[in-house]
Order: sequence, then structure tokens, then C-alpha cells
Amino acid sequence: KQEVTQIPAALSVPEGENLVLNCSFTDSAIYNLQWFRQDPGKGLTSLLLIQSSQREQTSGRLNASLDKSSGRSTLYIAASQPGDSATYLCAVSRSQAGTALIFGKGTTLSVSS
Amino acid sequence: GAVVSQHPSWVICKSGTSVKIECRSLDFQATTMFWYRQFPKQSLMLMATSNEGSKATYEQGVEKDKFLINHASLTLSTLTVTSAHPEDSSFYICSAGQPNNSPLHFGNGTRLTVT
Repeated sequence: KQEVTQIPAALSVPEGENLVLNCSFTDSAIYNLQWFRQDPGKGLTSLLLIQSSQREQTSGRLNASLDKSSGRSTLYIAASQPGDSATYLCAVSRSQAGTALIFGKGTTLSVSS
Repeated sequence: GAVVSQHPSWVICKSGTSVKIECRSLDFQATTMFWYRQFPKQSLMLMATSNEGSKATYEQGVEKDKFLINHASLTLSTLTVTSAHPEDSSFYICSAGQPNNSPLHFGNGTRLTVT
């Protein structure tokens, strides 16, 4: 059974700091991995999608890496801003494209100004 | 871009009543939609996979007679929580994806409170 773990559970940093969020999964046979942002009481915003054949994806200040063989992914946020404060969720697909995702519990990030 | 609309965003109901939540894909056809539930400070847990024109596939431990799913068209799936109880109070989110390798898109969720 696939399990997704995210460390740390919570993180507080001052504005401008670079930070790394970690995600690990127990079954390396994934189709893709996706990072989401969730604001309190809201739905999910997709940040980055990494296919199993890819090593990393970048979007603006965000960079996500994937090491499928070791079952790990990291989300790197550069020059953090207060607006980045949210919960970040890592999720892996079970098999083919368009299938359901297995989520971690998330990392709650707080960026202070 | 692809958008998934979920309605209502929040609902309060009395114990024993039923509540219907709608999930629509606005600009693409979704043969498959997914329903998740999220309890406070917990992760999203997959409840069921909604298949257009056929029965939903439920995850282990999810009561199919309590959580009725209907996927009557390529753009609409509904989740009905029947005879709701306070322990059903949760955040319910749907998602849908396009048949290519695009990321899954999520609705904004429905906060259900059963009193």
C-alpha cells in the first residue's frame, strides 16, 4: 500500500529565506508526482507535476525534484514571501494518467514579514 | 485552463438528512472524477472513483450505501451523503483529469457540518 510522508509537518521562516519541503513515498512504482498548495478552508492549487521519467520541474520561484528510485521528492521555494504561507501537499499517482492521487499530510508553511 | 467547479462551498444540515454535492468540469469532459474527504489536520483521503455511465468504485472502508455517487454525464458527478451524522462532518473535494498527462484539477471543496 502506497504511503506518502511529508517532513516537516510545519515550518516557520522569515521572509526572503529559501526553504525545502520533503516528500517520501513507499512504492517507487508511480506514474507521476504532484505538488499542491492548499489555503485554509480552500481547495487545491496545482503547483508542479513531475512525470516519473523526469527529474525536476520549475515554475517561477518553485523547483520540484524527483528521485523515483529512492522514493523522494523535494519542493524548493526561493526567496519566500508572506503570500507563500499555506499548506503544501505532495501526492503520487497510483498508476496511469488520470488516476487518483495518494496524498501526504502536508507541510504547513508560515512566512513572516 | 481546465476548471472544476464544486457546489455548494459549505453546507450545514441536521443529523439524519441527506446532502448532495455537485462537481462539474467546466471546459473539458471527464470520464472519471474522484471524491476525497479531508478531516482537520489530516490528508485528503480518496473515497471513491466516479465513472461516467457506470457504478462508482469505492475505497475500502467507505460505505457505498451512505455515500451515493452518480456520474450521469461527462461533466457532472454528484456525491450524496445520506442520513448524515456529525461524524460525517468534513471537507469533501472532487477532482477530475483530462485523458492526457495534464495534472488533475480540483474543485474548491465543500465544508459539510452536520449538527
